[in-house]
Amino acid sequence: SQQGEEDPQALSIQEGENATMNCSYKTSINNLQWYRQNSGRGLVHLILIRSNEREKHSGRLRVTLDTSKKSSSLLITASRAADTASYFCATDGGSNYQLIWGAGTKLIIKP
Amino acid sequence: GAGVSQSPRYKVTKRGQDVALRCDPISGHVSLYWYRQALGQGPEFLTYFNYEAQQDKSGLPNDRFSAERPEGSISTLTIQRTEQRDSAMYRCASSPMAGHQPQHFGDGTRLSIL
Repeated sequence: SQQGEEDPQALSIQEGENATMNCSYKTSINNLQWYRQNSGRGLVHLILIRSNEREKHSGRLRVTLDTSKKSSSLLITASRAADTASYFCATDGGSNYQLIWGAGTKLIIKP
Repeated sequence: GAGVSQSPRYKVTKRGQDVALRCDPISGHVSLYWYRQALGQGPEFLTYFNYEAQQDKSGLPNDRFSAERPEGSISTLTIQRTEQRDSAMYRCASSPMAGHQPQHFGDGTRLSIL
């Protein structure tokens, strides 16, 4: 069963705009991760945020985590065509190995 | 190797046949994970190894599914008597230590059962 739910399911924006995706989950976690999946390819790890962290940055990515609301957001600034992909959040659900995933947000960047 | 390698990339087979999917993790990675991903969904956990020991197989859907990692490196996921509902992307991931995050994924095997 899937724990996370991403919102929106699909997002289409112009190149250069910012993209925000949200993730909600159900159980307590040790950490939450965001992955990107390009069409037909593997899942690429983007960023990991631990349960005692509230915000984390990596390049054009900014992730926030609110454990009281069991939610996270991923912000991609100054989007590029190459950012077109599906984005998934994954939580450990309290275990140290099993990742539990949402259904993903499909992001399309229009040139 | 440089990354997680899965083979074959695509497998089409008739219902009732057995299939074996291979995963070659990143060299030296202790932990290996198998997931299954239906179209338009996120991956779902199948099973997990530390070295050659299968630590958790609770995600395997039924007894037609099995996995092994006999020498603590390459792993094989086997599906016996395949059914159409087994069609999916099968993903393998590895990590350096037990339970270490993040997990590094291969490109997956797309399995289609006719």
